[in-house]
Amino acid sequence: GDSVTQMEGPVTLSEEAFLTINCTYTATGYPSLFWYVQYPGEGLQLLLKATKADDKGSNKGFEATYRKETTSFHLEKGSVQVSDSAVYFCALSLETSGSRLTFGEGTQLTVNP
Amino acid sequence: NAGVTQTPKFRILKIGQSMTLQCTQDMNHNYMYWYRQDPGMGLKLIYYSVGAGITDKGEVPNGYNVSRSTTEDFPLRLELAAPSQTSVYFCASSYPGAGNTIYFGEGSWLTVV
Repeated sequence: GDSVTQMEGPVTLSEEAFLTINCTYTATGYPSLFWYVQYPGEGLQLLLKATKADDKGSNKGFEATYRKETTSFHLEKGSVQVSDSAVYFCALSLETSGSRLTFGEGTQLTVNP
Repeated sequence: NAGVTQTPKFRILKIGQSMTLQCTQDMNHNYMYWYRQDPGMGLKLIYYSVGAGITDKGEVPNGYNVSRSTTEDFPLRLELAAPSQTSVYFCASSYPGAGNTIYFGEGSWLTVV
């Protein structure tokens, strides 16, 4: 079945460090790919998305590129801030499955001042 | 901008009790979803609906029921609560199409004791 695998956390970084959170997927078709972020005690918010191969999603300094050849959608940010501390979820969606999201396990990011 | 609204935000249930989590959205979305999130885990789909009068099971439907009598509302019913249903529940909605953003409510924290 369709699945998403994220790098295990938690990840702890100092402010202004470079962030990479790896995400790979397995899908029977051509999925759309998403990164959602969950701040403490809140629901999930869309961070960025890409709907076809080689698309780059970007928002708030975060970027991810849809790589069909490696089935990956790694999240990157050049300089993290304390306010980026949250749980990050990679997810995919397929037209053939009613547009439902299949999530990875999530990666807890803590940024220290 | 209300978006997706869930109630209650917190609830403690005794084993064997029943309750309904309410969800309403004001974005005229056809698709609605219920997910559960267990500690340190990703989100698992319980039920989803592609329109009023149409519902279908997700990955973990046992112990739950749903109905969709209107476009706006998608309540989730827990029958005979069990400790395994202790979780955070998220309602979500979207337009049809795998590339469309799915919008989440703020979550309902449920504890079964």
